[in-house]
Amino acid sequence: AQKITQTQPGMFVQEKEAVTLDCTYDTSDPSYGLFWYKQPSSGEMIFLIYQGSYDQQNATEGRYSLNFQKARKSANLVISASQLGDSAMYFCAMRERAGGFKTIFGAGTRLFVKA
Amino acid sequence: SQTIHQWPATLVQPVGSPLSLECTVEGTSNPNLYWYRQAAGRGLQLLFYSVGIGQISSEVPQNLSASRPQDRQFILSSKKLLLSDSGFYLCAWSVLVGGRRDRTEAFFGQGTRLTVV
Repeated sequence: AQKITQTQPGMFVQEKEAVTLDCTYDTSDPSYGLFWYKQPSSGEMIFLIYQGSYDQQNATEGRYSLNFQKARKSANLVISASQLGDSAMYFCAMRERAGGFKTIFGAGTRLFVKA
Repeated sequence: SQTIHQWPATLVQPVGSPLSLECTVEGTSNPNLYWYRQAAGRGLQLLFYSVGIGQISSEVPQNLSASRPQDRQFILSSKKLLLSDSGFYLCAWSVLVGGRRDRTEAFFGQGTRLTVV
């Protein structure tokens, strides 16, 4: 069964606008972590933001924020004030405490920022 | 500061030839190390992970193998490559995040684009 689902293969956003990238997950483990990564065309993977399952507040890192809705099992990434350099693939990932050292990645969403 | 080196960046190999991709980490000790493969336009698939020297766990049965001869060295190998081994291979190591409550592969190598012909 799919553990991490990213339903948007591609997204377009106008420069300087905000965009939300969707991510839903499936787990029965009460302890887990959720992560977002950015992969530019160069191929490198860049860690963006982390949300723990017990965190009461949504995580924020600069222009990135994570809209964590635990009951709905969603962890959407919000990028505010989009920049041309934000064009990239974005991956949602989850690590369950019971899963040991395995991080499970979603299929990704390609974001295109228009000038 | 911590850095991770992965080479080569690109590789074209004939079917049936051997493979050796190397990854080294600097600036940390006893890291958890990972090998991932990314097919074109897809997410990351965990191939192997290691929590220490000589300790390798395989996630996906295939004709690839991994070794960790030194604390900060992780090697991905194959005796005979298949066409289906083509892809983008990423080495990573994990760090504690979230106030030291969880781990994630926060540092990835630059990746090796392998084409088997």
